[in-house]
Amino acid sequence: AQTVTQSQPEMSVQEAETVTLSCTYDTSESDYYLFWYKQPPSRQMILVIRQEAYKQQNATENRFSVNFQKAAKSFSLKISDSQLGDAAMYFCAYRSARGETSGSRLTFGEGTQLTVNP
Amino acid sequence: DAGVIQSPRHEVTEMGQEVTLRCKPISGHNSLFWYRQTMMRGLELLIYFNNNVPIDDSGMPEDRFSAKMPNASFSTLKIQPSEPRDSAVYFCASSYTRQETQYFGPGTRLLVL
Repeated sequence: AQTVTQSQPEMSVQEAETVTLSCTYDTSESDYYLFWYKQPPSRQMILVIRQEAYKQQNATENRFSVNFQKAAKSFSLKISDSQLGDAAMYFCAYRSARGETSGSRLTFGEGTQLTVNP
Repeated sequence: DAGVIQSPRHEVTEMGQEVTLRCKPISGHNSLFWYRQTMMRGLELLIYFNNNVPIDDSGMPEDRFSAKMPNASFSTLKIQPSEPRDSAVYFCASSYTRQETQYFGPGTRLLVL
């Protein structure tokens, strides 16, 4: 079974600075997808960014970018020019690309609580 | 376009009562997922539908939980009878196909006393 690990329960960053959130995963598969979701205090789960494992190029979405290291099974999220609105719990998630059932389930990490200091 | 809609947003009930959570997926999405979030277990998939058919219900904790999707625009998750350990935030998510990105609703916060 796949597992996702976020080793940083809490992180903090100064407004306008850059922060990197770590995520590692364990899988024997070669084809899969990785995601970062953001959960602000409202509890809404908001997609931040998505990475396909077959793509070598790291995904970017405005101030958010990832460092995808397939061999190391690492998938970190970099937030540049941090804003107060970025404060939230961030979840890393894995999804297999194969199978009727396993290819649909999202496996989540434990989450990293990000605080942005003014 | 409206996102995934869930109701109620908050539910407080007493142990033994029946609880029904509702979800309207994004229009045109063919896959629907129910997740539960607790402090102890984090986010976990309960059940997944594709084209209104349950495909994977291995995450449903026990027979007290049941889910239905009578049509493409509506799903329910029912707990009968409810227990205090069912207290959690329940999320519904949908995707265009089972392989596409899942978009989450706002969640239902359930408290069973």
